[in-house]
Amino acid sequence: SQQGEEDPQALSIQEGENATMNCSYKTSINNLQWYRQNSGRGLVHLILIRSNEREKHSGRLRVTLDTSKKSSSLLITASRAADTASYFCATDLSGAGSYQLTFGKGTKLSVIP
Amino acid sequence: DADVTQTPRNRITKTGKRIMLECSQTKGHDRMYWYRQDPGLGLRLIYYSFDVKDINKGEISDGYSVSRQAQAKFSLSLESAIPNQTALYFCATSDSGTRYGYTFGSGTRLTVV
Repeated sequence: SQQGEEDPQALSIQEGENATMNCSYKTSINNLQWYRQNSGRGLVHLILIRSNEREKHSGRLRVTLDTSKKSSSLLITASRAADTASYFCATDLSGAGSYQLTFGKGTKLSVIP
Repeated sequence: DADVTQTPRNRITKTGKRIMLECSQTKGHDRMYWYRQDPGLGLRLIYYSFDVKDINKGEISDGYSVSRQAQAKFSLSLESAIPNQTALYFCATSDSGTRYGYTFGSGTRLTVV
């Protein structure tokens, strides 16, 4: 069963706009990660946020985590055509030493030039 | 060279055939994983290995087996391929901590006819 669920399933925006994707999960987590996948290629790790963190930034990416609501959001600011990809959240449920990720179904982002 | 190399990139095989997908990594990580990706279902964990002597079943291990030949090599076998094993298969690696995310290979697209 899916631990994380992304919303929306698909998002289409104009270049220069901001894109926001959400992830909800069901059980307590150790950390939550976001990945990008260009069509048919391998996933690329974007950012990791731990359960005791509320917000992290990396370049044009901003991730927030609300453990009380069991949700996270990924904001991409000033989007570019090259940001067109699928974005997945992944949750690490494990205690120390285990570290397995469970992936959601992804949000497909299209950035129109 | 890529950090995680998967071979072959594409494979078409017949129902009932045995097939092996190979993965090698140059990250020096202990941990390796096999996932499959189906459209609309995200990634699901097949097997994972935390070191050469430690191999564990994931969410969907039925019909699959694995071999960890060395720290850097982790192969996935389909003993008798069936059409519903048609999917995109990914190998990934991680270190033992949770500081960083997974590093994925480029995937093997397997079609069982």
